[in-house]
Amino acid sequence: GQNIDQPTEMTATEGAIVQINCTYQTSGFNGLFWYQQHAGEAPTFLSYNVLDGLEEKGRFSSFLSRSKGYSYLLLKELQMKDSASYLCAVTDSNYQLIWGAGTKLIIKP
Amino acid sequence: DAEITQSPRHKITETGRQVTLACHQTWNHNNMFWYRQDLGHGLRLIHYSYGVQDTNKGEVSDGYSVSRSNTEDLPLTLESAASSQTSVYFCASSEKLEGPDTQYFGPGTRLTVL
Repeated sequence: GQNIDQPTEMTATEGAIVQINCTYQTSGFNGLFWYQQHAGEAPTFLSYNVLDGLEEKGRFSSFLSRSKGYSYLLLKELQMKDSASYLCAVTDSNYQLIWGAGTKLIIKP
Repeated sequence: DAEITQSPRHKITETGRQVTLACHQTWNHNNMFWYRQDLGHGLRLIHYSYGVQDTNKGEVSDGYSVSRSNTEDLPLTLESAASSQTSVYFCASSEKLEGPDTQYFGPGTRLTVL
């Protein structure tokens, strides 16, 4: 079967760094997406990884290891506005997106 | 600016009624998707379309139907609403005909079936 695992909830402090992990088992792999979703809003695109390694985009970075079926999203210099759910999604061999349940990130002052 | 809109944003209906949720995009994207989002689950694909007159079933298509008569719209119909279909519904679109592509989401419709 196809499976995406993420922690349900994480808590971090404003100004700190947090790493949100995602492990996957899918039928084929054609890339991994991270989306941000604020409560009551639509998911919005954050990053896409298809090759192993780290992709940096401002305060956010995303890492992929295809051999380990593993990715993480790294958020630096946390701000209160980063309080949201972070969704990991894998594109399978049919180019369908398989979604994780999301990680709710709570930022405390 | 191009956008994707959904209507209504909130809907309460009764068991057994037919309900249609609208999705309209001005990106001129080929691909459109309908998902439902429930607590504890990831987004689950209901139906999708890769172009006009093309529709395909997703993971959780039972009790739902779609039609694609033009590029901009993909309405989702619940044939006979059930309480299990209480959920938040998101429409999304993407551009590429082949390969993985970023999906852009509408604001969502919160549907309650009593």
